[in-house]
Amino acid sequence: DAKTTQPPSMDCAEGRAANLPCNHSTISGNEYVYWYRQIHSQGPQYIIHGLKNNETNEMASLIITEDRKSSTLILPHATLRDTAVYYCIVRSLNQAGTALIFGKGTTLSVSS
Amino acid sequence: DTAVSQTPKYLVTQMGNDKSIKCEQNLGHDTMYWYKQDSKKFLKIMFSYNNKELIINETVPNRFSPKSPDKAHLNLHINSLELGDSAVYFCASSQENMGRVENEQFFGPGTRLTVL
Repeated sequence: DAKTTQPPSMDCAEGRAANLPCNHSTISGNEYVYWYRQIHSQGPQYIIHGLKNNETNEMASLIITEDRKSSTLILPHATLRDTAVYYCIVRSLNQAGTALIFGKGTTLSVSS
Repeated sequence: DTAVSQTPKYLVTQMGNDKSIKCEQNLGHDTMYWYKQDSKKFLKIMFSYNNKELIINETVPNRFSPKSPDKAHLNLHINSLELGDSAVYFCASSQENMGRVENEQFFGPGTRLTVL
């Protein structure tokens, strides 16, 4: 079962920041937080991941709380193409081939 | 120059038939996966292979048999297809050198299997 909890849906206006929360209160010290998204009918796409520090790349920012029990994915300027299901996943890197355990994710709807 | 490719994209077949789905990655990755997404959109791992060795074999009927002829390919063969096998099947790959922190998985476009 997924070790994360996310709101089922969120709305965001185009051009505004989208802040997607995730709870992972049982995360272990060796587990990373990963974010993926799935645009309709496509394969999941990697967005970002982190261990305990905040991370930023060209797609998004990841803010992880100090106790690591929750995190927020930030899309700074959402566009219509960001409409997708966003998955927050915790994953250990101790063993090669460890699968991603997907939950229900958050359906983000970006509107103009 | 598709990173992870799957064939076919759509597969419609009758119950009881045997079919295969092919997956190839040109990323030089050492680990490949098969995931299943059912009609309720839940994505679940089926298998993973690392350097052609089976790592994960979830509770999947033994009618499903993955085959990895080399590190770039992981094919999925399904015997005696059933109605409940209808789903979208995604292949993925990643590089799993220990000590790296990337390890992101790259997914293929999916194969939509419909069993009639």
